[in-house]
Formats: sequence, structure tokens, C-alpha cells
Amino acid sequence: KQEVTQIPAALSVPEGENLVLNCSFTDSAIYNLQWFRQDPGKGLTSLLLIQSSQREQTSGRLNASLDKSSGRSTLYIAASQPGDSATYLCAGGGATNKLIFGTGTLLAVQP
Amino acid sequence: KAGVTQTPRYLIKTRGQQVTLSCSPISGHRSVSWYQQTPGQGLQFLFEYFSETQRNKGNFPGRFSGRQFSNSRSEMNVSTLELGDSALYLCASSLDLVSYNSPLHFGNGTRLTVT
Repeated sequence: KQEVTQIPAALSVPEGENLVLNCSFTDSAIYNLQWFRQDPGKGLTSLLLIQSSQREQTSGRLNASLDKSSGRSTLYIAASQPGDSATYLCAGGGATNKLIFGTGTLLAVQP
Repeated sequence: KAGVTQTPRYLIKTRGQQVTLSCSPISGHRSVSWYQQTPGQGLQFLFEYFSETQRNKGNFPGRFSGRQFSNSRSEMNVSTLELGDSALYLCASSLDLVSYNSPLHFGNGTRLTVT
């Protein structure tokens, strides 16, 4: 059964800092790992999707990596901005073909 | 291109009633998934529909049901509402099944409050 954990639960950084968000999963038969952001009162916005055969994906200031052997994924945000403030969720799909979400990391970027 | 549309945005219902939520996917998307989001349990998978067939189901009681129409629009129904059903219900669409590496596109959700 896939379980997804995100640490830390909350993070506050000054503007301009580079930061890393962590995601751990238990089912190594993961078919993809997705990162989303959620703004208050809104739905989720897809940021990056890493297929099981890939090691990383990049989009602008965002870089996500996937290490199936250790059951870990990281989301790297370069030169953080106040507009990056949101809750970041990772989700992994495993053998049951269900997408399992982590509990999220609440990020606050201070101007 | 229009995004995923969920209606209504807010609902207030009484225990024991039933409710139907609607989701219109992005044009051309054939898969629709439903999720329940609560502060205590986070985001939990309800079910996924593809080509009018339920392809996967989460661990929710039979009071939760759904369907998908030929135009890919989807509805979910919750019968005999309980206080614990109060949540944000999110719908997501994708070109193909989630397990086929199709990115999910979410609507803004329906906020259900059961009193």
C-alpha cells in the first residue's frame, strides 16, 4: 500500500533563498510522482510530473527529482519569491493505480 | 481552453440528505477523478472514471457514488450525509488514465458543509 509523507509540514524562508521540499513514498512500484501547489481556497495546480523511468524534471525555477530506490522525491525551488507562497503537495501512484497524496508542505516566502 | 469546472462552489446540507456535485473536464480529456480534502485526512482518492466506466475506487463507503457521461462530464453523489462528509471535493481531469502518466488538472472544488 502506497504511503506518502512530506517533511517539513511548514517552512518559512526569506525572499531569494533556494529551498528544497521533501517527499517520501513506500511503494517502489511507483509509476509516477507528481508535484502540485495549492493556493488557499483553490484547487491544485500541476507543477511537474516525473515518470518512473525518469530521474528529474525541470520547469523554470523548479526542479523535481525522483529516487525510486530510496523512496524519495525532492522539489527544488530556486530564488524563491513571495508568489511562491502556497501549499505544495506530492502524489505518487503505485501498484493499485491510485494516486496517493502527501499531507503537504505550507511554504511562506517573506518579502 | 477552459479549465475544469465544478459546480456548485458551495453547498450547505443537513444530515441525512443527499447531494450531487458536478464536474466538467477540459475539452478532450477522457479521465475524471474525484478527491475529498479535509484538514484531518488530507487529500483522499474517491474514484476515477474513463470512457463512462469506473476504473478505480478508493476506500469510501457505498454512500459515495459517481458516474461519467458520454461527453466526459462527471457527477458524484453522496447519500445519507453525515457530519464527517463536510469537506472540499475536488475533481481532476486528464487526457488519459492517471496511471498512464497523464498530468492532472484540478477544478477549484465544491465546499460541502453538513450541519
